[in-house]
Amino acid sequence: QVQLVQSKVEVKRPGASVKVSCEASGYRFTSYGITWVRQAPGQGLEWMGWISAYNDDTNYAQRLQGRLTMTTDTSTSTAYMELRSLRSDDTAVYYCARVSSSTSEFDYWGQGTLVTVSS
Amino acid sequence: SYDLTQPPSVSVSPGQTASITCFGDKLGDKFACWYQQKPGQSPVLVIYEDNKRPSGIPERFSGSNSGNTATLTIRGTQAMDEADYYCQAWDSNTVVFGGGTKLTVL
Repeated sequence: QVQLVQSKVEVKRPGASVKVSCEASGYRFTSYGITWVRQAPGQGLEWMGWISAYNDDTNYAQRLQGRLTMTTDTSTSTAYMELRSLRSDDTAVYYCARVSSSTSEFDYWGQGTLVTVSS
Repeated sequence: SYDLTQPPSVSVSPGQTASITCFGDKLGDKFACWYQQKPGQSPVLVIYEDNKRPSGIPERFSGSNSGNTATLTIRGTQAMDEADYYCQAWDSNTVVFGGGTKLTVL
């Protein structure tokens, strides 16, 4: 069965960077994209960007351009999301999700990784 | 930028029909999908391509999309359907989520 397992809780200082991992199993990793979505406490879903696991093409949300990098490691079927220059309003649960190959809905989600940014 | 607008909250009595709307300019020209999120859990896809249900999603969930409005309909609503619901669409190669609707079953 398809599973996306994310790395654990992170606590970071303002200005630091965080790198969250998302290990996929149960399907051919390179046949699908991975998207990242975050959710601040008590807020809605915010799309961060997308990466193709086939050729590493990326597309990032404009407001995060310059601070965000998404990568994949096909040898371990793992996707990574790195966010730099962290601010307190980056505190959120970060989710990875598989992008369906048909019409690009997000059909399987990871369990989420809480990233807290605090001095 | 493209926006999707949802009502913040909808209430429904058990066994009745709940309708959650999502408004966006010419949304009917795009594919809309819907996610259910219960407290402390990851979102779950419940409708994709406007009106298709993934495997495992009950038949009481249905969707439509025309003009400027996509609608998620839950017939025979059950207590377990109480959750936040988000619509989502792609616009110019970026993803847009609606602000979410809290469905209360009371």
